[in-house]
Amino acid sequence: NAGVTQTPKFRILKIGQSMTLQCAQDMNHNYMYWYRQDPGMGLKLIYYSVGAGITDKGEVPNGYNVSRSTTEDFPLRLELAAPSQTSVYFCASSQGRRGQPQHFGDGTRLSIL
Amino acid sequence: EDKVVQSPLSLVVHEGDTVTLNCSYEVTNFRSLLWYKQEKKAPTFLFMLTSSGIEKKSGRLSSILDKKELFSILNITATQTGDSAIYLCAPARDSGGSNYKLTFGKGTLLTVNP
Repeated sequence: NAGVTQTPKFRILKIGQSMTLQCAQDMNHNYMYWYRQDPGMGLKLIYYSVGAGITDKGEVPNGYNVSRSTTEDFPLRLELAAPSQTSVYFCASSQGRRGQPQHFGDGTRLSIL
Repeated sequence: EDKVVQSPLSLVVHEGDTVTLNCSYEVTNFRSLLWYKQEKKAPTFLFMLTSSGIEKKSGRLSSILDKKELFSILNITATQTGDSAIYLCAPARDSGGSNYKLTFGKGTLLTVNP
């Protein structure tokens, strides 16, 4: 069972560069989420999607963009990388039915220098 | 603004000890509360609690929710070194339809020494 797959696992960017963090799930989940986790902090919701073609902002969306063209994929885009975006990024998905938890990928560790 | 406070923030115990982790919350449109265990990588799901007073158990782990006092506890009995991890509490807020949003606490870092 692949579950939620995130690529890359690690990345170093220079200030001002752009990149896309990939997330794919093979569980046919409608709901997908992007979180960031800073040291000593809980996970903060960046963006989420309730289905293909539908996305919405979470708690900390500034500096990020998302798209959801298929049920399986939910990429996160950083357009102009800033040091404040240094973090570990987690993608998660859920069925969306009551009582079903979110399942997380292994994360992408991103450093902006 | 939703708030989640976990205590203690860190805890060091010896194998065989019993630990209690606390989570208090203030969440609008509360639906349920989830506990996750995070080792080196992805948070892994432990429990989802929706009703007050009903204990959920999985092996040596158990958890209970008090919706009146707005808190939950996670108990681990006969701790093992493999229990060393960050334990995250996440109340879920109803966002309409079948969607829900999680607000995560900072976590409790549990270290179990042999």
